[in-house]
Amino acid sequence: GNSVTQMEGPVTLSEEAFLTINCTYTATGYPSLFWYVQYPGEGLQLLLKATKADDKGSNKGFEATYRKETTSFHLEKGSVQVSDSAVYFCALISGGSNYKLTFGKGTLLTVNP
Amino acid sequence: ETGVTQTPRHLVMGMTNKKSLKCEQHLGHNAMYWYKQSAKKPLELMFVYNFKEQTENNSVPSRFSPECPNSSHLFLHLHTLQPEDSALYLCASSQDRLAMSGEQFFGPGTRLTVL
Repeated sequence: GNSVTQMEGPVTLSEEAFLTINCTYTATGYPSLFWYVQYPGEGLQLLLKATKADDKGSNKGFEATYRKETTSFHLEKGSVQVSDSAVYFCALISGGSNYKLTFGKGTLLTVNP
Repeated sequence: ETGVTQTPRHLVMGMTNKKSLKCEQHLGHNAMYWYKQSAKKPLELMFVYNFKEQTENNSVPSRFSPECPNSSHLFLHLHTLQPEDSALYLCASSQDRLAMSGEQFFGPGTRLTVL
């Protein structure tokens, strides 16, 4: 079956620091890959996505590249802000999983001023 | 109201109580989902409805009973719960179940505590 493994948190950074949250996956078929974000007290929101190998998803300064050879989809941001403090979830979907989203456990990011 | 709304936002109940969680989506979507979010665990998909028909039940105990009267509303009826059922229950919707776009729209969740 499908699975997603992302780095354990929590991650604590100072404002303007560089962020990387690692995500690797196993999947049947050809998955689409996603990063969702959950701000305090809210539901999850789609942050970015990539649907095929070598695609780069980007949004709000965050980027992630679909690497088929390493089965990875690491999230990066060059300069984090306090407002980026949230829980970040890596996820995938494939026909092999009957189109169900499979999520990682989430990584809590705290950005200090 | 816009997006996906859930009520109540917080619920405390005893093990013998019966309560219901409500979800409403204002996006014109055809698929709706219930997820359970527990600390340090991946989101657990509980139920999926597509065009009001249940298409997925991930071995959820019968003390959780979903209801989908129309494409905009989803309920989760709770009875004789256990303390380990305490969690954040998230509702989500998407255009349809087979969307490889993967974009689901989530409500803010109901924080459930079972005493």
